[in-house]
Amino acid sequence: EDQVTQSPEALRLQEGESSSLNCSYTVSGLRGLFWYRQDPGKGPEFLFTLYSAGEEKEKERLKATLTKKESFLHITAPKPEDSATYLCAVPAGGTSYGKLTFGQGTILTVHP
Amino acid sequence: GAVVSQHPSRVICKSGTSVKIECRSLDFQATTMFWYRQFPKKSLMLMATSNEGSKATYEQGVEKDKFLINHASLTLSTLTVTSAHPEDSSFYICSARPWGATYNEQFFGPGTRLTVL
Repeated sequence: EDQVTQSPEALRLQEGESSSLNCSYTVSGLRGLFWYRQDPGKGPEFLFTLYSAGEEKEKERLKATLTKKESFLHITAPKPEDSATYLCAVPAGGTSYGKLTFGQGTILTVHP
Repeated sequence: GAVVSQHPSRVICKSGTSVKIECRSLDFQATTMFWYRQFPKKSLMLMATSNEGSKATYEQGVEKDKFLINHASLTLSTLTVTSAHPEDSSFYICSARPWGATYNEQFFGPGTRLTVL
């Protein structure tokens, strides 16, 4: 069974204080790893797809990286508007093809 | 691109009534759509997978007669909560997987907050 674990559960940063969120996964065969951002009371917003170890993707202050066991979401010089819950997910294969297994999320709070 | 809408965004209904929630992919075709439920401060819980033109596949423990799903076209899926009760109050979110998506990305709607009185 696929498993996805995110850490930390919550992260408080000062504006400008860079940090990283972690997503560890155990899957039978990696078919991609997705990062989403979710604001309170809204649906998840798609950020990145990573598919192979060593791959990196960037968007504004966010950079996602992937190894064979985990993914990191690096946040450089965060701003208060980056405050949100960040979710990672992996798609299942076999009879569960396409279903996503989500981590529990990391709640990021950036203080001005 | 890859925009998904949901309607309504909020609904309040009386116990015993039925509520329909629409999920539309606005700029792509989606052969598969998913319905999730989310409790406060919890991650998303998959309820069912719907494929255009066929019956939905429900996750274990989800009552198919209470949560009716119809995927009538490549851009529209509906979730009907029948005979709603207060315990059905929740945040319901749909997602859609674009036809031909390389890595099975799902794009999510903004969610519908259901309150049953």
